[in-house]
Order: sequence, then structure tokens, then C-alpha cells
Amino acid sequence: GAVVSQHPSWVICKSGTSVKIECRSLDFQATTMFWYRQFPKQSLMLMATSNEGSKATYEQGVEKDKFLINHASLTLSTLTVTSAHPEDSSFYICSARSARLNTEAFFGQGTRLTVV
Amino acid sequence: DAKTTQPTSMDCAEGRAANLPCNHSTISGNEYVYWYRQIHSQGPQYIIHGLKNNETNEMASLIITEDRKSSTLILPHATLRDTAVYYCILYNQGGKLIFGQGTELSVKP
Repeated sequence: GAVVSQHPSWVICKSGTSVKIECRSLDFQATTMFWYRQFPKQSLMLMATSNEGSKATYEQGVEKDKFLINHASLTLSTLTVTSAHPEDSSFYICSARSARLNTEAFFGQGTRLTVV
Repeated sequence: DAKTTQPTSMDCAEGRAANLPCNHSTISGNEYVYWYRQIHSQGPQYIIHGLKNNETNEMASLIITEDRKSSTLILPHATLRDTAVYYCILYNQGGKLIFGQGTELSVKP
């Protein structure tokens, strides 16, 4: 299957700082990318959907000013957690879908964020 | 909200077939049934999908009932590495993947 790479795999940051997570589709052009958050022992929760070149669409209850999403190219989307707090500590996962394939979405390996 | 119902957990003996059920009684005509699995602390892995016909690939088989209101994922010879949370998802291609709680499958020696 297609490959989606997330970076970093894990990050520890101080409360009040911002953290950027990158999601890259390595062997296909991703017209749509999805960002999820997963707390321990829970399922994945969709945060937002981004289409290349346009603003992201956020799910209800997700603060768009706190979780900044940029999808500037067909192979890269970024999620920036601004002014992070300990409650933002979670497992963040991106997913990418190709317009050409337009079937299954492919997932990155996830980023473990710990805010101290 | 997820539109599928799965058992919370299941056990399976190594080498035996694992049959994971999923109910999706409100499925609409253009929705596919997708299965993903998530091994601890990793991103979900695609397994298989189908619309109305049964499907088989190198990983698993998918059996969809004629009325499409339920399906079963079959891992023919489960191994310890198949221990994971399995998600059954209704997906309108071009839409969003919404995850339910999934089934935690434990394959035991």
C-alpha cells in the first residue's frame, strides 16, 4: 500500500510552547488529509479534514485556533498545536487519501505528544 | 458518530480462524464496509473493504450479508501478531473515516 510518514514519532514540550507535526505522503499525491487524536484506551477521534490549497474543515468541538492545519502541497500537511497544555498530550495520527486512488485512506505511524 | 456496532473484545487461539462480526443496520447504498486494525501505539493499517460482494485478499476475507446490514472479517489462521484492535467502518468514498470503538482481538498461544 501507499506510504504516509509522520514526523516526529514522539515529542515532549513545555506547557505554553507550540509543536508542529508533519505528515507526508511519500509515493502518491494526497488531495485530502485527515488529522486524528487518540487518548489512551480510546478510539481515534477525527479532528479535521484538509484539502490541498484550501482551509481545513474542523470537527465540532475542535478549536481551529489551537490546532492549526496547513496543507500547502499535495504531499505535505502540518498540524501545529499552539500554546500546548498537559491536556493536549495525546497520540496524533494523520491519514492521506489520493484522488487518483480514491479508495482507502493510508495512515501515518502517529506522533506521541507529551506536554509537561 | 460511528454507525457500526462491534463486540468490545474477543479471544482466538493461535492458528485458528478469527471471525470478527460487525453490525451496520443503517448502511446506505453508497457506503462501503472498510476494515482497519491498529496494533498498540501505531497508526491504523488497512485490511480490506467491500460493497456487497464477499472479498478476499492476502490478509483476510470479508463476508457481507445479502441485506448488507452486517459483515464478518475472517483472519483464516490467526497469529500472535494479529493481536490488535479491529475497526469496522462505513465509508462513503470521498467522505470521512469515522472510527467506532472497535474489537480488541487477543490471539493466545
